[in-house]
Amino acid sequence: GENVEQHPSTLSVQEGDSAVIKCTYSDSASNYFPWYKQELGKRPQLIIDIRSNVGEKKDQRIAVTLNKTAKHFSLHITETQPEDSAVYFCAASWVQGGSEKLVFGKGTKLTVNP
Amino acid sequence: DAGVIQSPRHEVTEMGQEVTLRCKPISGHNSLFWYRQTMMRGLELLIYFNNNVPIDDSGMPEDRFSAKMPNASFSTLKIQPSEPRDSAVYFCASSLRGARSPLHFGNGTRLTVT
Repeated sequence: GENVEQHPSTLSVQEGDSAVIKCTYSDSASNYFPWYKQELGKRPQLIIDIRSNVGEKKDQRIAVTLNKTAKHFSLHITETQPEDSAVYFCAASWVQGGSEKLVFGKGTKLTVNP
Repeated sequence: DAGVIQSPRHEVTEMGQEVTLRCKPISGHNSLFWYRQTMMRGLELLIYFNNNVPIDDSGMPEDRFSAKMPNASFSTLKIQPSEPRDSAVYFCASSLRGARSPLHFGNGTRLTVT
Protein backbone atom coordinates (compact mmCIF):
# COMPACT_ATOMS: atom_id res chain seq x y z
CA GLY A 1 0.00 0.00 0.00
CA GLU A 2 0.89 3.66 -0.14
CA ASN A 3 3.30 5.10 2.39
CA VAL A 4 3.66 8.86 2.89
CA GLU A 5 6.74 10.14 4.69
CA GLN A 6 6.77 13.73 5.92
CA HIS A 7 9.76 15.80 7.04
CA PRO A 8 10.63 17.50 9.26
CA SER A 9 8.40 16.57 12.17
CA THR A 10 9.00 19.95 13.78
CA LEU A 11 10.10 23.24 12.22
CA SER A 12 10.79 26.54 13.90
CA VAL A 13 11.32 29.75 11.89
CA GLN A 14 11.47 33.45 12.52
CA GLU A 15 8.59 35.61 11.39
CA GLY A 16 9.14 36.67 7.80
CA ASP A 17 11.30 33.68 6.90
CA SER A 18 10.21 30.91 4.55
CA ALA A 19 9.21 27.41 5.62
CA VAL A 20 9.44 24.26 3.53
CA ILE A 21 7.86 20.91 4.36
CA LYS A 22 8.59 17.85 2.24
CA CYS A 23 6.70 14.62 1.63
CA THR A 24 7.52 11.49 -0.31
CA TYR A 25 5.13 8.81 -1.47
CA SER A 26 5.68 5.27 -2.62
CA ASP A 27 2.88 4.47 -5.08
CA SER A 28 3.44 5.93 -8.54
CA ALA A 29 -0.33 5.70 -9.15
CA SER A 30 -0.94 8.50 -6.65
CA ASN A 31 -2.48 11.45 -8.44
CA TYR A 32 -3.90 13.85 -5.86
CA PHE A 33 -1.86 15.59 -3.16
CA PRO A 34 -3.63 17.84 -0.65
CA TRP A 35 -2.16 19.75 2.29
CA TYR A 36 -4.09 20.36 5.50
CA LYS A 37 -3.44 22.79 8.33
CA GLN A 38 -4.52 21.94 11.86
CA GLU A 39 -4.37 24.57 14.56
CA LEU A 40 -4.19 23.45 18.17
CA GLY A 41 -7.48 21.88 19.23
CA LYS A 42 -9.08 22.50 15.87
CA ARG A 43 -10.00 20.40 12.85
CA PRO A 44 -7.74 19.90 9.84
CA GLN A 45 -8.52 22.31 7.01
CA LEU A 46 -7.42 22.12 3.39
CA ILE A 47 -5.05 24.90 2.45
CA ILE A 48 -3.90 23.85 -1.01
CA ASP A 49 -3.91 20.78 -3.25
CA ILE A 50 -2.26 19.68 -6.47
CA ARG A 51 -3.00 17.01 -9.04
CA SER A 52 -0.46 14.92 -10.87
CA ASN A 53 -0.89 16.74 -14.17
CA VAL A 54 0.47 19.95 -12.63
CA GLY A 55 3.99 20.62 -11.37
CA GLU A 56 3.36 23.66 -9.22
CA LYS A 57 0.46 25.58 -7.73
CA LYS A 58 0.49 28.83 -5.81
CA ASP A 59 -2.02 30.64 -3.63
CA GLN A 60 -0.75 33.92 -2.18
CA ARG A 61 1.98 33.01 0.34
CA ILE A 62 1.69 29.25 -0.03
CA ALA A 63 2.81 27.07 -2.90
CA VAL A 64 3.08 23.36 -3.57
CA THR A 65 5.49 21.67 -5.96
CA LEU A 66 5.27 18.12 -7.25
CA ASN A 67 8.03 15.97 -8.71
CA LYS A 68 6.38 12.81 -10.06
CA THR A 69 9.64 11.24 -11.14
CA ALA A 70 11.12 11.48 -7.68
CA LYS A 71 7.73 10.91 -6.03
CA HIS A 72 7.92 13.86 -3.73
CA PHE A 73 5.97 17.05 -3.15
CA SER A 74 6.62 20.06 -0.99
CA LEU A 75 4.77 22.88 0.72
CA HIS A 76 6.37 26.32 0.68
CA ILE A 77 5.21 29.13 2.92
CA THR A 78 6.79 32.53 2.33
CA GLU A 79 6.82 35.57 4.62
CA THR A 80 5.68 33.44 7.55
CA GLN A 81 3.48 34.98 10.23
CA PRO A 82 2.72 33.83 13.80
CA GLU A 83 -0.74 32.71 12.67
CA ASP A 84 0.93 30.19 10.36
CA SER A 85 1.91 28.24 13.49
CA ALA A 86 0.08 24.91 13.29
CA VAL A 87 0.54 21.27 12.36
CA TYR A 88 0.63 20.69 8.61
CA PHE A 89 -0.29 17.35 7.05
CA CYS A 90 0.42 16.19 3.54
CA ALA A 91 -1.58 13.39 1.93
CA ALA A 92 -1.55 11.29 -1.21
CA SER A 93 -4.51 9.70 -2.96
CA TRP A 94 -4.81 6.99 -5.55
CA VAL A 95 -7.23 4.35 -6.81
CA GLN A 96 -6.75 0.72 -5.86
CA GLY A 97 -9.13 -2.05 -6.82
CA GLY A 98 -11.91 0.40 -7.55
CA SER A 99 -11.53 2.05 -4.13
CA GLU A 100 -10.00 5.48 -3.63
CA LYS A 101 -7.37 5.74 -0.93
CA LEU A 102 -6.06 8.80 0.91
CA VAL A 103 -3.09 8.42 3.24
CA PHE A 104 -1.79 11.20 5.48
CA GLY A 105 1.76 11.92 6.54
CA LYS A 106 2.52 12.12 10.27
CA GLY A 107 2.48 15.92 10.29
CA THR A 108 4.91 18.81 10.78
CA LYS A 109 4.56 21.14 13.72
CA LEU A 110 5.48 24.60 12.47
CA THR A 111 6.28 27.33 14.97
CA VAL A 112 6.71 30.89 13.73
CA ASN A 113 8.52 33.01 16.30
CA PRO A 114 7.65 36.73 16.39
CA ASP B 1 -23.53 25.88 5.14
CA ALA B 2 -22.98 24.61 8.69
CA GLY B 3 -20.20 22.30 7.66
CA VAL B 4 -19.75 18.77 8.97
CA ILE B 5 -21.42 18.42 12.35
CA GLN B 6 -20.19 15.92 14.90
CA SER B 7 -21.56 15.04 18.31
CA PRO B 8 -20.71 14.85 21.09
CA ARG B 9 -17.64 17.15 21.23
CA HIS B 10 -16.33 15.32 24.27
CA GLU B 11 -17.10 11.87 25.62
CA VAL B 12 -15.74 10.37 28.81
CA THR B 13 -16.68 6.79 29.53
CA GLU B 14 -15.55 3.79 31.49
CA MET B 15 -13.90 0.78 29.97
CA GLY B 16 -16.44 -1.72 28.74
CA GLN B 17 -19.14 0.81 27.97
CA GLU B 18 -20.63 1.36 24.52
CA VAL B 19 -19.79 4.62 22.78
CA THR B 20 -21.64 6.08 19.80
CA LEU B 21 -20.24 8.97 17.80
CA ARG B 22 -22.44 10.84 15.34
CA CYS B 23 -21.83 12.76 12.14
CA LYS B 24 -23.89 14.85 9.74
CA PRO B 25 -22.01 15.46 6.48
CA ILE B 26 -22.34 18.51 4.28
CA SER B 27 -25.47 18.33 2.16
CA GLY B 28 -24.70 17.19 -1.36
CA HIS B 29 -21.44 15.47 -0.46
CA ASN B 30 -21.49 11.83 -1.51
CA SER B 31 -18.47 10.58 0.45
CA LEU B 32 -17.99 10.30 4.20
CA PHE B 33 -14.87 9.35 6.12
CA TRP B 34 -14.18 8.47 9.74
CA TYR B 35 -10.64 9.19 10.98
CA ARG B 36 -8.96 8.63 14.34
CA GLN B 37 -6.17 10.96 15.47
CA THR B 38 -3.59 10.18 18.14
CA MET B 39 -0.15 11.59 18.83
CA MET B 40 1.49 8.25 18.16
CA ARG B 41 -0.31 7.20 14.98
CA GLY B 42 -1.42 10.50 13.46
CA LEU B 43 -4.54 10.56 11.28
CA GLU B 44 -5.76 7.05 10.54
CA LEU B 45 -8.63 6.26 8.18
CA LEU B 46 -11.11 3.94 9.85
CA ILE B 47 -13.80 3.65 7.20
CA TYR B 48 -14.97 5.40 4.06
CA PHE B 49 -18.53 5.50 2.63
CA ASN B 50 -19.51 6.42 -0.90
CA ASN B 51 -23.22 7.07 -1.53
CA ASN B 52 -23.96 5.56 1.91
CA VAL B 53 -22.18 2.30 1.04
CA PRO B 54 -19.01 1.27 2.93
CA ILE B 55 -16.19 1.20 0.38
CA ASP B 56 -13.13 0.65 2.52
CA ASP B 57 -13.23 -0.51 6.14
CA SER B 58 -9.72 -1.93 6.21
CA GLY B 59 -8.76 0.61 8.87
CA MET B 60 -11.37 -0.47 11.40
CA PRO B 61 -9.23 -1.79 14.26
CA GLU B 62 -11.27 -4.81 15.24
CA ASP B 63 -14.75 -6.17 15.71
CA ARG B 64 -15.39 -3.76 18.56
CA PHE B 65 -15.71 -0.97 16.01
CA SER B 66 -18.67 -0.64 13.67
CA ALA B 67 -19.95 2.15 11.45
CA LYS B 68 -23.22 2.77 9.68
CA MET B 69 -24.61 5.29 7.25
CA PRO B 70 -28.37 4.72 7.05
CA ASN B 71 -28.92 7.76 4.83
CA ALA B 72 -27.02 10.53 3.09
CA SER B 73 -27.23 12.89 6.04
CA PHE B 74 -26.20 10.74 9.00
CA SER B 75 -23.50 8.34 10.07
CA THR B 76 -22.52 6.68 13.35
CA LEU B 77 -19.33 5.11 14.64
CA LYS B 78 -19.87 2.70 17.51
CA ILE B 79 -17.32 1.17 19.85
CA GLN B 80 -18.52 -1.74 21.96
CA PRO B 81 -16.97 -2.51 24.37
CA SER B 82 -14.67 0.50 24.69
CA GLU B 83 -11.09 0.20 25.96
CA PRO B 84 -8.60 2.81 27.25
CA ARG B 85 -6.52 2.47 24.06
CA ASP B 86 -9.50 3.77 22.09
CA SER B 87 -8.94 7.20 23.64
CA ALA B 88 -8.35 9.60 20.74
CA VAL B 89 -9.97 12.36 18.72
CA TYR B 90 -12.36 10.96 16.15
CA PHE B 91 -12.99 13.07 13.07
CA CYS B 92 -15.71 12.72 10.50
CA ALA B 93 -15.12 14.29 7.10
CA SER B 94 -17.13 14.54 3.91
CA SER B 95 -16.27 15.33 0.31
CA LEU B 96 -18.08 15.94 -2.94
CA ARG B 97 -16.51 12.99 -4.75
CA GLY B 98 -14.37 10.51 -2.90
CA ALA B 99 -10.81 10.74 -1.64
CA ARG B 100 -9.56 12.79 -4.57
CA SER B 101 -11.58 15.87 -3.74
CA PRO B 102 -11.11 18.13 -0.72
CA LEU B 103 -12.16 16.70 2.62
CA HIS B 104 -14.19 18.89 4.96
CA PHE B 105 -13.62 17.83 8.55
CA GLY B 106 -15.98 18.17 11.48
CA ASN B 107 -14.73 19.54 14.80
CA GLY B 108 -14.10 16.04 16.10
CA THR B 109 -15.12 14.07 19.18
CA ARG B 110 -12.52 13.76 21.91
CA LEU B 111 -13.04 10.33 23.47
CA THR B 112 -11.55 9.41 26.82
CA VAL B 113 -11.97 5.85 28.07
CA THR B 114 -10.95 5.35 31.68
